[in-house]
Amino acid sequence: KQEVTQIPAALSVPEGENLVLNCSFTDSAIYNLQWFRQDPGKGLTSLLLIQSSQREQTSGRLNASLDKSSGRSTLYIAASQPGDSATYLCAVAQGGSEKLVFGKGTKLTVNP
Amino acid sequence: NAGVMQNPRHLVRRRGQEARLRCSPMKGHSHVYWYRQLPEEGLKFMVYLQKENIIDESGMPKERFSAEFPKEGPSILRIQQVVRGDSAAYFCASSRDRALGEKLFFGSGTQLSVL
Repeated sequence: KQEVTQIPAALSVPEGENLVLNCSFTDSAIYNLQWFRQDPGKGLTSLLLIQSSQREQTSGRLNASLDKSSGRSTLYIAASQPGDSATYLCAVAQGGSEKLVFGKGTKLTVNP
Repeated sequence: NAGVMQNPRHLVRRRGQEARLRCSPMKGHSHVYWYRQLPEEGLKFMVYLQKENIIDESGMPKERFSAEFPKEGPSILRIQQVVRGDSAAYFCASSRDRALGEKLFFGSGTQLSVL
């Protein structure tokens, strides 16, 4: 059974700092991995999607890496801003299944 | 180009009542997924539907819960005889094609509170 763990559960940093969020999964037979952002009282916004054959994806100040063999992914946020404050969720798709298995998220606070 | 629309945003029900949650997918999307987020828990898959068909309902509780996605109109998640443990945020997502390899677009969710 796939399990997704995100560390840390919460993170508070000053504005401008570079930071890394971690995601690990127990079953390396994944189809892809997605990072989402969830704002309070709102839905999820997809940030980056990494296919199992890829090592990383970049979008603006965000960079996500995937090491399938070790069951790890990281989300790197450069030059953090208060507007980046949100909960970041990692989710994996198993091969042959439509289900996404989510971690519990990392709650990020960027202080001005 | 409207996103995934869910209504109501907040729903309050007393124990034993029925809850009906609606989800209109993005234009051009024929695949709908329902997820539930319990307090302090991650999102859990419930059901995957295509127009008029349930493809995977392995995450649905065996009793009281049902889902449909008719040819016309929104997808409906129905919970009969609600209990306090059903209190959660229910999210709907849609995709143009099967989720594999495609980004999912999520709605803002329905917060169900059972008194």
